[in-house]
Amino acid sequence: QQQVKQSPQSLIVQKGGISIINCAYENTAFDYFPWYQQFPGKGPALLIAIRPDVSEKKEGRFTISFNKSAKQFSLHIMDSQPGDSATYFCAASMIGTASKLTFGTGTRLQVTL
Amino acid sequence: NAGVMQNPRHLVRRRGQEARLRCSPMKGHSHVYWYRQLPEEGLKFMVYLQKENIIDESGMPKERFSAEFPKEGPSILRIQQVVRGDSAAYFCASSPQAGDRFFGPGTRLTVL
Repeated sequence: QQQVKQSPQSLIVQKGGISIINCAYENTAFDYFPWYQQFPGKGPALLIAIRPDVSEKKEGRFTISFNKSAKQFSLHIMDSQPGDSATYFCAASMIGTASKLTFGTGTRLQVTL
Repeated sequence: NAGVMQNPRHLVRRRGQEARLRCSPMKGHSHVYWYRQLPEEGLKFMVYLQKENIIDESGMPKERFSAEFPKEGPSILRIQQVVRGDSAAYFCASSPQAGDRFFGPGTRLTVL
């Protein structure tokens, strides 16, 4: 019930293309869904987060789409750039209790020229 | 406003020694979380602490590992009698009462 499943494991996108990473969760008590970006040798950096009371949140080139009934959420990176090449992790938790984040397994994104 | 600080950034220990990892949360954050990341893998939750209290230690190995977050000073993750399998990156995150969690740069532990 605590799992968060993430796909794909790796992704290659051409510069200017759209990168799409998907996550699915099981625990219906989750109410906070952040995405983290991690570069090699660095800590995860919070990219964008969403609560289930909205179906979409956009910040610059990054958009989270949320489907509560399907228990799925996804990250879209528009106009992907080589500098976006990193590992992306989705996560979920119950924000009300400041409880632990449960992470997906990660997606390694490579944006080619 | 400084972010989450961790030290040391790199730590080398021989088998059987003790490792102490420190984490200073962001200013105003009273919640601290420790995660472990093995090479090419995701982040695994270890322990969640508030000041002077362990809230959730469901991810902590039962032996050799302990964590504290004293009233004053940083949070400490302590690994006694380290083994090669303890080699990993250990990340600390902090949050306010109920909010976004921010991660530190991590401590990379190598056990020889």
